[in-house]
Amino acid sequence: EAGVAQSPRYKIIEKRQSVAFWCNPISGHATLYWYQQILGQGPKLLIQFQNNGVVDDSQLPKDRFSAERLKGVDSTLKIQPAKLEDSAVYLCASSLLAGIDNYGYTFGSGTRLTVV
Amino acid sequence: SQQGEEDPQALSIQEGENATMNCSYKTSINNLQWYRQNSGRGLVHLILIRSNEREKHSGRLRVTLDTSKKSSSLLITASRAADTASYFCATALYNTDKLIFGTGTRLQVFP
Repeated sequence: EAGVAQSPRYKIIEKRQSVAFWCNPISGHATLYWYQQILGQGPKLLIQFQNNGVVDDSQLPKDRFSAERLKGVDSTLKIQPAKLEDSAVYLCASSLLAGIDNYGYTFGSGTRLTVV
Repeated sequence: SQQGEEDPQALSIQEGENATMNCSYKTSINNLQWYRQNSGRGLVHLILIRSNEREKHSGRLRVTLDTSKKSSSLLITASRAADTASYFCATALYNTDKLIFGTGTRLQVFP
């Protein structure tokens, strides 16, 4: 079974520029998450999709961050314009089942963003 | 804010010793999961314990869950240098399945 694919692995941009990250979850996984992990901290949930619908985006800074999951498969996360404090690793995860039947999530390797 | 708080923040032990990490959380959950993260790498799922379970084993891992105290512990027995990593607890919130991570414990195992 292929894992969760993310690209790019690394990205360096200047502040006020825009950037996009891509995630391809495991085939058949309905739930997809984007997390932001700042160095030395635990991952922070940005947005949760169920198929192509948004379940929770309460922690997404919507003035600069946007995410979509077209056709309930691939997802993109965009930042425009970027700020220095956006420097972090952006992780994508997917899961097959939800609720009491959930058996865990599979994470991609992440995209390390550096804003200079 | 973080749902889970982990204790200790850092732990250093010798190979062969046991390592115990604790996690406390605030709200009702569907399940609690433990993940490992090696430096600069993604998160690896270790074990999941459901809200109606009290203890679970997987190889050298033993997880307990006390929903009355809203706490969990992860025990790694006979630790190895390769266990050196950060360990995170994550709670899947009741009704939403939102997965919230704790602050993590950095484990260093010396050969």
